Amino acid sequence: NAGVTQTPKFRVLKTGQSMTLLCAQDMNHEYMYWYRQDPGMGLRLIHYSVGEGTTAKGEVPDGYNVSRLKKQNFLLGLESAAPSQTSVYFCASSWDSVNTEAFFGQGTRLTVV
Amino acid sequence: RKEVEQDPGPFNVPEGATVAFNCTYSNSASQSFFWYRQDCRKEPKLLMSVYSSGNEDGRFTAQLNRASQYISLLIRDSKLSDSATYLCVEGRGGFKTIFGAGTRLFVKA
Repeated sequence: NAGVTQTPKFRVLKTGQSMTLLCAQDMNHEYMYWYRQDPGMGLRLIHYSVGEGTTAKGEVPDGYNVSRLKKQNFLLGLESAAPSQTSVYFCASSWDSVNTEAFFGQGTRLTVV
Repeated sequence: RKEVEQDPGPFNVPEGATVAFNCTYSNSASQSFFWYRQDCRKEPKLLMSVYSSGNEDGRFTAQLNRASQYISLLIRDSKLSDSATYLCVEGRGGFKTIFGAGTRLFVKA
């Protein structure tokens, strides 16, 4: 009963490098989300998906891309990392919308130097 | 002005104390409200939903005041295990969900 699993848990990137964060959920949720959390700020929505094959922009989408090729997976990509993208990234999933309980992954701590 | 404002704390209280957090929101049309708990370096987890009539879950009571646009969380008989950051969440519908920055609570023996 894994729930929501994120990989990797930690990563250090150099400016300009690319990487992909993987989120997997085993609860058959339609809705998945990527957030970033920075000190002194609330969680901010980067992108979300309402089902397999669909994605949409959230509050802070610039510099990120996503894909939802399979219902259980939601990938977050950074094409050219910048120091401003240093943050903790959380993936979440829910039954219908984020206005019901969201289940979060354990987070990915990303540092861009 | 932040859309969801919380006192960042930290609140330092002894075991057994009663502590209350408030959170103000800016959109009078918001539909749903929640309190999440986040332990240090962990993911947020739902603590409780907040209903217009108020709701209670053991030692925790949540209330919504629409007229003044705030929600509150009351913790009675604080335990060491209650030490965490409490996130206030405002749901506006259409995937527009606003998380507060959180209030840190330390419960000391």
